[in-house]
Amino acid sequence: GEKVEQHESTLSVREGDSAVINCTYTDTASSYFPWYKQEAGKGLHFVIDIRSNVDRKQSQRLIVLLDKKAKRFSLHITATQPEDSAIYFCAASRAGYQNFYFGKGTSLTVIP
Amino acid sequence: NAGVIQTPRHKVTGKGQEATLWCEPISGHSAVFWYRQTIVQGLEFLTYFRNQAPIDDSGMPKERFSAQMPNQSHSTLKIQSTQPQDSAVYLCASSLDGTNERLFFGHGTKLSVL
Repeated sequence: GEKVEQHESTLSVREGDSAVINCTYTDTASSYFPWYKQEAGKGLHFVIDIRSNVDRKQSQRLIVLLDKKAKRFSLHITATQPEDSAIYFCAASRAGYQNFYFGKGTSLTVIP
Repeated sequence: NAGVIQTPRHKVTGKGQEATLWCEPISGHSAVFWYRQTIVQGLEFLTYFRNQAPIDDSGMPKERFSAQMPNQSHSTLKIQSTQPQDSAVYLCASSLDGTNERLFFGHGTKLSVL
């Protein structure tokens, strides 16, 4: 089955800098790649997603890049703020099928 | 819209006891998912229902774990004869129609088996 690896388990950046979280996947049939954020004591909250028909998507300060050849995707958070501090999870799934495979999470700390 | 509601928030059981976890999906959502979260394994898919029918239970341990969705408004995850290794946060999520769409997660039930 699919394996999603999240390369950074922890990440610290200074407020205003950019943060980058990288993930790789193994299943060439995966075509949907969402990102979720988890704050302490809460469930996961959707932040952004990308589908395999594009290689870049931006929503305000969040940018997702997808490199299908390398089976790699990344989340870029620009102009970080303290409220961006959380655990971020990447995931992958096949088209039309919603069994998501999640990475193990990256704990992001934004230092004021 | 209250979001996905999971009860209880915390459950403590003794080894060998049964635990039942409840999930109320967002009204109008036809797909419900159960995940288990631990530090070591991360987020593990357990099972998923669409329109109350079980679609994929490939992540469910074959023994002691069962899930049901008797109606549109709730799903249960039952663990019989709980073991310490069952200790985890169990997350329920729902989505509109179960295809590639965002999941809405509940806050989870933290199960502690002593």
